[in-house]
Amino acid sequence: GENVEQHPSTLSVQEGDSAVIKCTYSDSASNYFPWYKQELGKGPQLIIDIRSNVGEKKDQRIAVTLNKTAKHFSLHITETQPEDSAVYFCAVAEYGNKLVFGAGTILRVKS
Amino acid sequence: GAVVSQHPSRVICKSGTSVKIECRSLDFQATTMFWYRQFPKKSLMLMATSNEGSKATYEQGVEKDKFLINHASLTLSTLTVTSAHPEDSSFYICSATRTGGQANYGYTFGSGTRLTVV
Repeated sequence: GENVEQHPSTLSVQEGDSAVIKCTYSDSASNYFPWYKQELGKGPQLIIDIRSNVGEKKDQRIAVTLNKTAKHFSLHITETQPEDSAVYFCAVAEYGNKLVFGAGTILRVKS
Repeated sequence: GAVVSQHPSRVICKSGTSVKIECRSLDFQATTMFWYRQFPKKSLMLMATSNEGSKATYEQGVEKDKFLINHASLTLSTLTVTSAHPEDSSFYICSATRTGGQANYGYTFGSGTRLTVV
């Protein structure tokens, strides 16, 4: 089955700096790669996603890059703000089938 | 955007009783719904996948007689924890998606249910 690895497990950055979280996956059939932000006691919220026919996608301060050959994708957050502090999860799926999650990254933005 | 409503947000029940959690897709018809369990400071663990009108597919190690899943309509799935024990205390989260057609609904998550069994 699919195996997703996420690094780092914790990340502390100064406000205004960039943050990068990386994930690798194993199943070449996977074609959907979302990133979720989860705050304490709440369900995951989609922040950005990318499909396998695209190499990069950007939405304001957030971007995702995908390297299908190497089977890895990354989340980039620029100009970080204290409200970006949360747990971030990557996930992988063959679209419509079950999502497999990474272990999560605790992001702390220090002001 | 797609919205999934999950109720209740918190529930406390006594050992041995059953509790039902509802997951509704409010503005789209969900062909597939997923149920996850999350332990503190851990990732989401998939429990089961349900398609409307079909029996749920459970992940290995998940007791189907204990965690009853019903997906009777394209907008509603329920998870019933039967004969609850304190070790069933956890955060349960549902997710819904729709395949086919032009719209990309992604996988939308509910806000989760904190179950405490006393």
